[in-house]
Amino acid sequence: GNSVTQMEGPVTLSEEAFLTINCTYTATGYPSLFWYVQYPGEGLQLLLKATKADDKGSNKGFEATYRKETTSFHLEKGSVQVSDSAVYFCAYYQGAQKLVFGQGTRLTINP
Amino acid sequence: DAGVIQSPRHEVTEMGQEVTLRCKPISGHDYLFWYRQTMMRGLELLIYFNNNVPIDDSGMPEDRFSAKMPNASFSTLKIQPSEPRDSAVYFCASSSGPNDYEQYFGPGTRLTVT
Repeated sequence: GNSVTQMEGPVTLSEEAFLTINCTYTATGYPSLFWYVQYPGEGLQLLLKATKADDKGSNKGFEATYRKETTSFHLEKGSVQVSDSAVYFCAYYQGAQKLVFGQGTRLTINP
Repeated sequence: DAGVIQSPRHEVTEMGQEVTLRCKPISGHDYLFWYRQTMMRGLELLIYFNNNVPIDDSGMPEDRFSAKMPNASFSTLKIQPSEPRDSAVYFCASSSGPNDYEQYFGPGTRLTVT
């Protein structure tokens, strides 16, 4: 069935390190893809999105490129900060207004 | 602008009691979603509404759960009777749809059933 598979966490990095969180999906066609972020004690908020193949979404120094060949949407950031500590969710649009979320990857950045 | 508002933020109750969670979506948004988040199962969609009408409730775990949306600015999720396995964080989200897929989440209600 349709699903999203994310890199298992937790992920712990030092400040200014390079970040990659892997995400692959199984779905019919080429759905819109999203990364959401959940800061401690808060709800999820959209970080970035890509609506078609080869699109690159970017926001707050984060980037993800829609790769249809590998059905992937990996999240990257060149230099992470302590304030990036959060849980990151990959998701795709299933249709009928529904999003399918991955399990989430907890990221901790140490100073 | 006010975002999605949920109340209460925390709820502790005893097994067997009725629990009601409340949500006010962003004004003008036609879609409202209820999610449950647990460590074991991640984020699950329970039910969603379009223009106050329930569209898909296939994620509602069992008859103990019910949701209503009496008007465009208010929705409730009720659990009766509650059980310890219902302990989770419940999120409400809204979106303007149908071509805008971004969902705006509330801060969540952390429910603990003892």
